[in-house]
Amino acid sequence: KQEVTQIPAALSVPEGENLVLNCSFTDSAIYNLQWFRQDPGKGLTSLLLIQSSQREQTSGRLNASLDKSSGRSTLYIAASQPGDSATYLCAVSPTGTGGFKTIFGAGTRLFVKA
Amino acid sequence: EADIYQTPRYLVIGTGKKITLECSQTMGHDKMYWYQQDPGMELHLIHYSYGVNSTEKGDLSSESTVSRIRTEHFPLTLESARPSHTSQYLCASTPQTLGTEAFFGQGTRLTVV
Repeated sequence: KQEVTQIPAALSVPEGENLVLNCSFTDSAIYNLQWFRQDPGKGLTSLLLIQSSQREQTSGRLNASLDKSSGRSTLYIAASQPGDSATYLCAVSPTGTGGFKTIFGAGTRLFVKA
Repeated sequence: EADIYQTPRYLVIGTGKKITLECSQTMGHDKMYWYQQDPGMELHLIHYSYGVNSTEKGDLSSESTVSRIRTEHFPLTLESARPSHTSQYLCASTPQTLGTEAFFGQGTRLTVV
């Protein structure tokens, strides 16, 4: 059974710091891995999607990597800003489910102090 | 910006009432999903749909029901709300192609008193 774990559960950093959020998954048979941002009481906003054949994706200050064989992904945030404060969720789409049963981690709650 | 909308955003309702949470998307996506999320916890899939007239139950048992009469519309109904239904409900959609990006609505925060 696929399980997704995110470490740390919460993180508080000063503004300007570079940081890494970690995601691990137990079964490497996935279509893709997606990182989302969730603001309190809101829906999810997709940040980066990495296909199973890819190693990384970049968007602005964000860089996500995928090591499928070891079941790990990292989200790197450069030069963090107070506006980055949110919960970051990692999700994988296992193969064999028709892409439906996406499994989410519990998220990392990030607070960037001004 | 994703064109997927949920209404209402917030709902406080008494026990025993029937409620329908609305979800609409204008992207023409075939696949739609409902997730339930308690504060600080993972999202759990409760319903999904391949397309019109197709609905399936997800991993998390739910007393809610869904319908898919039109591609763009995927409402979720609770026939008799209970306090245990208090949660956030998130709707999402994806194109038919496997491995594509998921788009989420803003969510409906339901409180049953």
